Formats: sequence, structure tokens, C-alpha cells
Amino acid sequence: QVQLVQSGAEVKKPGSSVKVSCKASGGSFSNYAMSWVRQAPGQGLEWMGGIIPMFGRGKTAQKFQGRVTITADEPTKTVYMEVTSLTSEDTALYYCARAIDETWFDPWGQGTLVIVSS
Amino acid sequence: QSALTQPASVSGSPGQSITISCSGTSSDIGGYNYVSWYQQHPGKVPKLMIFDVTKRPSGISTRFSGSKSGNTASLTISGLQAEDEADYYCSSYTSISTVIFGGGTKVTVL
Repeated sequence: QVQLVQSGAEVKKPGSSVKVSCKASGGSFSNYAMSWVRQAPGQGLEWMGGIIPMFGRGKTAQKFQGRVTITADEPTKTVYMEVTSLTSEDTALYYCARAIDETWFDPWGQGTLVIVSS
Repeated sequence: QSALTQPASVSGSPGQSITISCSGTSSDIGGYNYVSWYQQHPGKVPKLMIFDVTKRPSGISTRFSGSKSGNTASLTISGLQAEDEADYYCSSYTSISTVIFGGGTKVTVL
């Protein structure tokens, strides 16, 4: 059973960057896609992008292109997502999830709260 | 790409059946059998309920079922129970190799 454990909460200033990690344990890592989904306070789920670790190149939703980078480190079974040029609208809970066939998500990490505030 | 369209809320009495719709386009729901549904209780992590339009993961009650017709997918909850009160989200694979979610539906058990 794959388990995903994410890094802890972050408080960032507007204009700065944040890098969130997601470490997998208990299952195969390299050949499964991993995705990032965020949820702003009181809002719905929003797919940000994903990566298949063995291929090494992440893809992002058009909305986040140029501002979000998704990477993976196979030896440590960890996926990373970096968001640059943060604004208050990036305040959200960020989830990683294994993306089976790149289409459905199970399991999910516990979520990482990112607060952007001056 | 706009989010899939879901009703904001659906309600039902215990024991009843309810259906949540999820409308998209031929570039997402209508073009692929890759619709999934997630249940999220307040403060909790989303939970996969249905994948590939109709399939249930191990451990998910048979009271939950999925279907699709054209550009619209649906989640039906039969024998509604108090524990089913939650937010539900649909998602679909898209023609540009991304995933899109619906806006979410709050299910209330009366």
C-alpha cells in the first residue's frame, strides 16, 4: 500500500517561492504518475500538474505554466512542486496524489497548507 | 479550460437515492471513459469513490455508482445515509492530457 507524506505548512511573503515535497513509501514509485491538486479555502479541487518519475519531465495545467515546476527524485521516492511569484491567491491546501493512468487519484497525501501573507 | 459543471448542492432523506451530475464537453467527459468521483468530508482528504466512469475501488460501498451519457457523467448514491453527507467532486481526463475537476457538490442528508 502506497503512502504519501507531505512536507509541513509554510508561510510565505508575496512574490516569494515555495517548494512542497511528497515522499512515497510502501509501493512502486518510478512508473506511476504523481499529481498535485490544490484547494483554496472554502473552494473546490484544482489540478495543477503531474509527473511520471521514470520519465522525469513534469507537465502543468495551462494556468500554472511558467510558475509551477514539478520534479521527482527516484532514489528518495520524493516528488516536489515549486510555485514561484506567490500571491495571496495561492493560499491553499496543496495535495499530492498518485495518478493511476494519469486520470484518477489514489491515494492522497495529507496536504500541505501554504499561506501567502505580507 | 473551465471547470466541469456540477450542481452546488443536492439533498435527500435517509434511504432515498440522489444523483449528482457533472457536465463537460467532447474534449473531456464526452471524449474519454476517464471520469472519477471523490468524496470529501470537512477537514479531510478527498477519497476516491469511482474511477473510469463506473468502477468502484475496493472497499467502496455498492450504494455508490457512476454512469455517463454523452458529455455528462453522474454519480448516484442509493440508500442515502447520514455518513454520505459530504462534498463530492467529479474529474475527467482531457484532450490536452490534463485533468479537470468539477466545482463540487454539497450533499445534505435531511
